[in-house]
Amino acid sequence: AQSVTQPDIHITVSEGASLELRCNYSYGATPYLFWYVQSPGQGLQLLLKYFSGDTLVQGIKGFEAEFKRSQSSFNLRKPSVHWSDAAEYFCAVGATGGGSEKLVFGKGTKLTVNP
Amino acid sequence: DARVTQTPRHKVTEMGQEVTMRCQPILGHNTVFWYRQTMMQGLELLAYFRNRAPLDDSGMPKDRFSAEMPDATLATLKIQPSEPRDSAVYFCASGLRLPYNEQFFGPGTRLTVL
Repeated sequence: AQSVTQPDIHITVSEGASLELRCNYSYGATPYLFWYVQSPGQGLQLLLKYFSGDTLVQGIKGFEAEFKRSQSSFNLRKPSVHWSDAAEYFCAVGATGGGSEKLVFGKGTKLTVNP
Repeated sequence: DARVTQTPRHKVTEMGQEVTMRCQPILGHNTVFWYRQTMMQGLELLAYFRNRAPLDDSGMPKDRFSAEMPDATLATLKIQPSEPRDSAVYFCASGLRLPYNEQFFGPGTRLTVL
């Protein structure tokens, strides 16, 4: 069964600094990979997704992520963080084939942005 | 602006009471999910439906939880009897042509069982 690890529970960055959130997955084949963001009191919103092809994917709000098969990683990056990016970020993996609608989520990384 | 709606947004109840949470998926979406979010366990999939048929409810405690889709515009999650350990935020999500498209999440129901 697939699984996702987000090693950092909480990250604090200054506004304008760069950001990288880590995600490692466990899955035998090439997975479908996703990053979602959750603002306080809200549901989750999709930032970006990877299925195949170019390993660097662009998402909304200036985020990008890179799939590295050799490291089983799908890290999320942003070159310059804005105060409005403060939220919780979830990496998720979906299985290919049957039951592929299902996602397994990591436990999340909470991002705090200092002014 | 199509959205997933959930009611109630907040529910406080006493142990042993029945709790019903409702979800209206986005019109036209054929797949509906129920998730539970807690600090300890994170986001867990409880059950999901495609075209109103239950496909997987392995994440749900069967003795007290039940999930149904009486029609395409309504999904329900019931807990009977409720216990303090059921306190969590329950999210509904819907989608179409998954996994290629986004799962759209509702705002959640925050349940507190005293």
